[in-house]
Amino acid sequence: AQSVTQLGSHVSVSEGALVLLRCNYSSSVPPYLFWYVQYPNQGLQLLLKYTSAATLVKGINGFEAEFKKSETSFHLTKPSAHMSDAAEYFCAVSERNAGNMLTFGGGTRLMVKP
Amino acid sequence: NAGVTQTPKFQVLKTGQSMTLQCAQDMNHEYMSWYRQDPGMGLRLIHYSVGAGITDQGEVPNGYNVSRSTTEDFPLRLLSAAPSQTSVYFCASSLTGFYGYTFGSGTRLTVV
Repeated sequence: AQSVTQLGSHVSVSEGALVLLRCNYSSSVPPYLFWYVQYPNQGLQLLLKYTSAATLVKGINGFEAEFKKSETSFHLTKPSAHMSDAAEYFCAVSERNAGNMLTFGGGTRLMVKP
Repeated sequence: NAGVTQTPKFQVLKTGQSMTLQCAQDMNHEYMSWYRQDPGMGLRLIHYSVGAGITDQGEVPNGYNVSRSTTEDFPLRLLSAAPSQTSVYFCASSLTGFYGYTFGSGTRLTVV
């Protein structure tokens, strides 16, 4: 089974600073990769997805992620954090041998300081 | 479009009680799944379905049952609730699974 590791369960940045949330996956074949965001007491919203097209993927709210096969990574970045970015972020991989279901990392809670 | 609708939003059960969490989608999606979310563990797959009449187990299926009689509905049954099933439950659906899932707003379940 595939696994997803998110380094850092909590990340704190200042408003206007770079956001970097790390995600590494284990897979013997190129997977489909996703980043989801969860605001308090809400469901998950798709931020962006990698489906084997361009390795640099742009998503909503100014976020982007780069697929690096050699590093088995799919880190999420945003050049300038905004207070409204405070949320929990989940990296996920699509499990092709389990009906394309998602395997999630443990999540990273992003805090943005004024 | 309503998307993925989960009911109820909150539920408190006593140990040993049974209940059904409802999930309905109006997007004609073939793929549907149930996850539970626990602090620090992300979301874990309970059961999933790739079409009406087809279901399979995920990572944490024990204590849960599902059926898929229609494309729209995918209910999750707790057979005999235990405190370990206290969690937030999410239902999700997708047309093919390759391009991401749409999630419901969740059901917060407490078992006392």
